[in-house]
This record gives sequence, C-alpha cells and structure tokens, in this order.
Amino acid sequence: AQKVTQTQTSISVMEKTTVTMDCVYETRDSSYFLFWYKQTASGEIVFLIRQDSYKKENATEGHYSLNFQKPKSSIGLIITATQIEDSAVYFCAMRGITGNTGKLIFGLGTTLQVQP
Amino acid sequence: EAAVTQSPRNKVTVTGGNVTLSCRQTNSHNYMYWYRQDTGHGLRLIHYSYGAGNLQIGDVPDGYKATRTTQEDFFLLLELASPSQTSLYFCASSHWGETLYFGSGTRLTVL
Repeated sequence: AQKVTQTQTSISVMEKTTVTMDCVYETRDSSYFLFWYKQTASGEIVFLIRQDSYKKENATEGHYSLNFQKPKSSIGLIITATQIEDSAVYFCAMRGITGNTGKLIFGLGTTLQVQP
Repeated sequence: EAAVTQSPRNKVTVTGGNVTLSCRQTNSHNYMYWYRQDTGHGLRLIHYSYGAGNLQIGDVPDGYKATRTTQEDFFLLLELASPSQTSLYFCASSHWGETLYFGSGTRLTVL
C-alpha cells in the first residue's frame, strides 16, 4: 500500500529564514510523482511544486525547492527567505503509476508559522 | 492554471437529507476528484472519474454517490446525509492524473 508520512506537526520560524519540511513515502511503483501543496488560512489548496521520480535533479520553483533523496524515500520541501504569508499548512502527496488511476495520496500536513 | 469552481460554498442540512455538491472545471482536464478533509485524517479520496460517464471508487466511498455528466461537471451526492459526513469537501481536476488543481471547497454541516 502507498503511504505518505509528515512527521512534523508544526514548525515556527522567524521571517526571512529558511525552513525545511520533511516527508517520507512508501510505494512499490518504480515510477511515481511527488507533490507539495499549501493550504492557506482561507482553506484554499494551492499546488506548489512537483518532483518526478525519474528525474535526478531537485525541482525548484521560486523560493520553493525540493530535497529529493530517493534511496531514503524522502522528499523535503525547502522554503528560503520565508515571508509572513508563507504561514499555512503544507501537504506532501504522491501518485504512483500502477494502474494509472490518477489517485493522489496525501500526508496529514505540517503547519508552518512564520513570525515577524 | 486550472479553474475549478465548487458550489455551494457552505451547506447545512439535517440527518437523512439529500445533498448535491457541484463542481465544474474549465480547462479540459479528463480527471476529476472528490476529497473530504477532516482534522486528524487529512484529505481522503471519495470518488474520481477519468471522463464523462466514468466513475471510480476512492478510499472512503461509503454513503456517497457521484456522477460525471460532462467533461466539465462532476457531482457528489449524499442521499441520506449523516452527521459523520460533516466535513470540508474539495473537488479537483487534473490532466491524465498528474498535477491536481483544487476548487475552493464546500463546507457541509449535517445536523
């Protein structure tokens, strides 16, 4: 069975610092896709960044980047120069390719609070 | 970016009531999904579809029906609503099951 685990329930950082959020996953698929989403205080869920398992290079998107460690089944999200508006809940998610079902499995989320 | 619109934004009903949640996407995505979000459980997949007339069972389907009438429209039906179905519901769409784009959510309360 596929599973996504985010061990950090909440993190608090000072503005303009760098934060890393952890995520580990379990899958038997040889290829898979990993995603990070952000849920704002209003409840909106926004796609941030994606890593395809066959790509060795870590994905980057603006001030978001990923630390993909395939042997450890780990995909960390790194936010540099954090801003107050980065305060949100961050979800890690995975989709395998078996059956091409399109199903996304989510972790339970990490709450990030950025302090001024 | 995909545009996914859910309605209503909020809904209150009574136990045993009939509820339909609507979702429309306008980016010609083939996959559409219904998730529910609950504290302690995260986002859980109820049903999904890869095209008009198609329906696939998700991970928590009990008590829910869904129908995909067109490429754009996906409905979630609760025919005998129960308090355990009080939740925040999200619709999402994707192109061939890749990146999901979410609607703004529907908060359902079953009294």
